[in-house]
Amino acid sequence: DAKTTQPPSMDCAEGRAANLPCNHSTISGNEYVYWYRQIHSQGPQYIIHGLKNNETNEMASLIITEDRKSSTLILPHATLRDTAVYYCIASNSGGSNYKLTFGKGTLLTVNP
Amino acid sequence: DAGVIQSPRHEVTEMGQEVTLRCKPISGHNSLFWYRQTMMRGLELLIYFNNNVPIDDSGMPEDRFSAKMPNASFSTLKIQPSEPRDSAVYFCASSLNPGVYQPQHFGDGTRLSIL
Repeated sequence: DAKTTQPPSMDCAEGRAANLPCNHSTISGNEYVYWYRQIHSQGPQYIIHGLKNNETNEMASLIITEDRKSSTLILPHATLRDTAVYYCIASNSGGSNYKLTFGKGTLLTVNP
Repeated sequence: DAGVIQSPRHEVTEMGQEVTLRCKPISGHNSLFWYRQTMMRGLELLIYFNNNVPIDDSGMPEDRFSAKMPNASFSTLKIQPSEPRDSAVYFCASSLNPGVYQPQHFGDGTRLSIL
């Protein structure tokens, strides 16, 4: 898996967009970018993943730069319940892929 | 829909005792993962099963740890004998594995304390 770098912590005001950056400058062509989050005392929760194109689902948007060396997870309207550690993972994906290497992630604190 | 169910949620036991953690994956999922999370080492994959068969156990710390999956709806992680350094939160996760990436769904974990 390619190494990812995330800021250790970020703050966001409730109702505003939260933009979480991730650097993965050594990502290879067949590695996807995955985002999970972990709310206190719970197991990690899948958010979104992508390869090249920007992706959007009901939880978030993922913006991947054209050179794929970095990405941004966007929570459009952050709520207090979005306070969590957010993990960015770059990993190969395929029929037998399973390994997710979780780093230290970014602690996002949403403030009222 | 029921998610991944782990039991017990908390376990406190004395060093040297046998510990058994249990996991019920999401119905229909054919991949199962055991992870361990500590402050020092973060979240680590211990073992991965596909269709009830262990595929990769390279993350299992040592012979004191063993994992089984006797059927598609149940898995156990056993530590015998337990040591204080085994104290951690142990997570079970499951996913579909149809050839295209599927997200892993995690349980709420078992918080294990070895005294």
